[in-house]
Amino acid sequence: AAGVIQSPRHLIKEKRETATLKCYPIPRHDTVYWYQQGPGQDPQFLISFYEKMQSDKGSIPDRFSAQQFSDYHSELNMSSLELGDSALYFCASSSTGTVADTQYFGPGTRLTVL
Amino acid sequence: GENVEQHPSTLSVQEGDSAVIKCTYSDSASNYFPWYKQELGKRPQLIIDIRSNVGEKKDQRIAVTLNKTAKHFSLHITETQPEDSAVYFCAASKANFGNEKLTFGTGTRLTIIP
Repeated sequence: AAGVIQSPRHLIKEKRETATLKCYPIPRHDTVYWYQQGPGQDPQFLISFYEKMQSDKGSIPDRFSAQQFSDYHSELNMSSLELGDSALYFCASSSTGTVADTQYFGPGTRLTVL
Repeated sequence: GENVEQHPSTLSVQEGDSAVIKCTYSDSASNYFPWYKQELGKRPQLIIDIRSNVGEKKDQRIAVTLNKTAKHFSLHITETQPEDSAVYFCAASKANFGNEKLTFGTGTRLTIIP
């Protein structure tokens, strides 16, 4: 079965640079979530989109923005990167109307800020 | 907002013995409680979930119980095997119409001793 796809899998950036993370949800899933997981920590919710509209916002810095496109893929844009942004970034998707709220996670993007 | 507490933070059990991980949540409106298993550097993988209209759910060696009155839920793994070693996260959400974020517990590192 198709799973959530994330790219790139690894990303190394310098401080103050920008990064773009991409997420392709499971086909026919209409909701995308972004989570940030620091070393030894639990995943923290950043932002979610339902049918291409922002549905919820968590502890996402103002330096970050995200959107969901007409093909349902989503991008997380991160600017003015800081050392503390180094983390695993997971995208998850779910389908409203079937087994609601079962979120399936992608393999993650490991972002390292030097 | 929702707050999920998870105990213990580390757990070591002999192979073949049982392991129990407990979580409490604060928001009485939460009604969906998944458990994820995460190996180092990998994605969280859903292993079992329970909804608030059910008190217990079992899937082979894994079971989850929910006490809505006390606002706590537990993961039970029987006949543990070395491949059960991982970090386990509980989570909670308000699954009304879908697209509800997950709030995670802080994780339990389970080690199975051969």
